[in-house]
Amino acid sequence: DIQMTQSPSSLSASVGDRVTITCRASQSITRNLNWYQQKPGKAPKLLIYAASSLQSGVPSRFSGSGSGTDFTLIISRLQPEDSATYYCQQSFSSPWTFGQGTKVEIK
Amino acid sequence: QLQLVQSGAEVKKPGASVKVSCKASADTFSSYDVNWVRQATGQGLEWMGWVNPKTGNTGYARKFQGRVSITRNTSISTAYMELSSLRSDDTAVYYCARDYYDSGSYRFDPWGQGTLVTVSS
Repeated sequence: DIQMTQSPSSLSASVGDRVTITCRASQSITRNLNWYQQKPGKAPKLLIYAASSLQSGVPSRFSGSGSGTDFTLIISRLQPEDSATYYCQQSFSSPWTFGQGTKVEIK
Repeated sequence: QLQLVQSGAEVKKPGASVKVSCKASADTFSSYDVNWVRQATGQGLEWMGWVNPKTGNTGYARKFQGRVSITRNTSISTAYMELSSLRSDDTAVYYCARDYYDSGSYRFDPWGQGTLVTVSS
């Protein structure tokens, strides 16, 4: 199984800050990497697919990059509504696996 | 816009089974696989398996094989996840999600609202 490792596990940042979350796969997954946002008590929501494609309706302050084993999610100017847990997920090979999540808090 | 609506919360005793449903709102139900993902309280996301609504083919995570069954009823655009021999550590929110595919990329979108399954004696 492909292991997905996110860092950091949590972070605290101020409104307007640039936030970077990384995700590393245990083997190459080319660009088959998705990012989800989950708020408390809610289902995950797709933000980014295929490493860097922005899902329709998602604000442009979210962006993704990377290929192979190393990927990044960037929030360019953090907003209060971005307080959530973010998960990466590989869609390269079954079983589909997720990172452990990164909790983003607003200072 | 496809929506997935899941059945309500369940409370089960250890050793029992639970069956959770996931109803699709649109005619595109048969076009993409439906996956099941669970999340224990305060924990991360764990993929369980999938069903192809058109063929009925399924695939399961090794951890759940022999204990999970994912089925579908295309006439009512509904997928089901049944988990047997329940244990306390099966207490979790269970989500269904469409495995949308295009341009060589798979992703889970949309998701159902989640169903809390509590296993307690």
